[in-house]
Amino acid sequence: GQGVEQPAKLMSVEGTFARVNCTYSTSGFNGLSWYQQREGQAPVFLSYVVLDGLKDSGHFSTFLSRSNGYSYLLLTELQIKDSASYLCAVRFPNYNVLYFGSGTKLTVEP
Amino acid sequence: GPKVLQIPSHQIIDMGQMVTLNCDPVSNHLYFYWYKQILGQQMEFLVNFYNGKVMEKSKLFKDQFSVERPDGSYFTLKIQPTALEDSAVYFCASSGDSNNQAPLFGEGTRLSVL
Repeated sequence: GQGVEQPAKLMSVEGTFARVNCTYSTSGFNGLSWYQQREGQAPVFLSYVVLDGLKDSGHFSTFLSRSNGYSYLLLTELQIKDSASYLCAVRFPNYNVLYFGSGTKLTVEP
Repeated sequence: GPKVLQIPSHQIIDMGQMVTLNCDPVSNHLYFYWYKQILGQQMEFLVNFYNGKVMEKSKLFKDQFSVERPDGSYFTLKIQPTALEDSAVYFCASSGDSNNQAPLFGEGTRLSVL
């Protein structure tokens, strides 16, 4: 919905990093959130960004470029348990509604 | 921490029957949402609710769907009558009145329409 696009799958190796990309339609943009979702479970909030630049939250960092309609979630020092789907969700100025991308399934291999 | 609770976790129902999904949002939250997710697919917005009213709804929120929160109790999603394509996990979420507060999601109710 609302043109939020993510790659379907991503694979990486334990101890390295993974970057999950997200693009969206820029019209009316009012913030972007990242969630982690394990199969059969609720999405868990990771990060919210509304200003350009890199926001470092330790294991997770998020980058936003509003003019390009682009964000990424960077996971460093990957562990096997980071294997999950990562959902990008964009908010437009209509009562705080989030529109999700289809999610990127990250697989971390030993 | 605060949690959004959903009851039941799983509901099996015959096509054509009515079903009510219940959500207990975080106590001081003011915005409430329902999302639908078919297994392995995208989380899709259905509706949001604020101050006793539906504020926004998507094309997926069919005429058979309704929401309410009578007297500050459960926030409910009612489907009447149900159809086979309504089988999915329905997630409830709530958020406060801050402009940058991301919604908190419940664990979902898995609805199976037979």
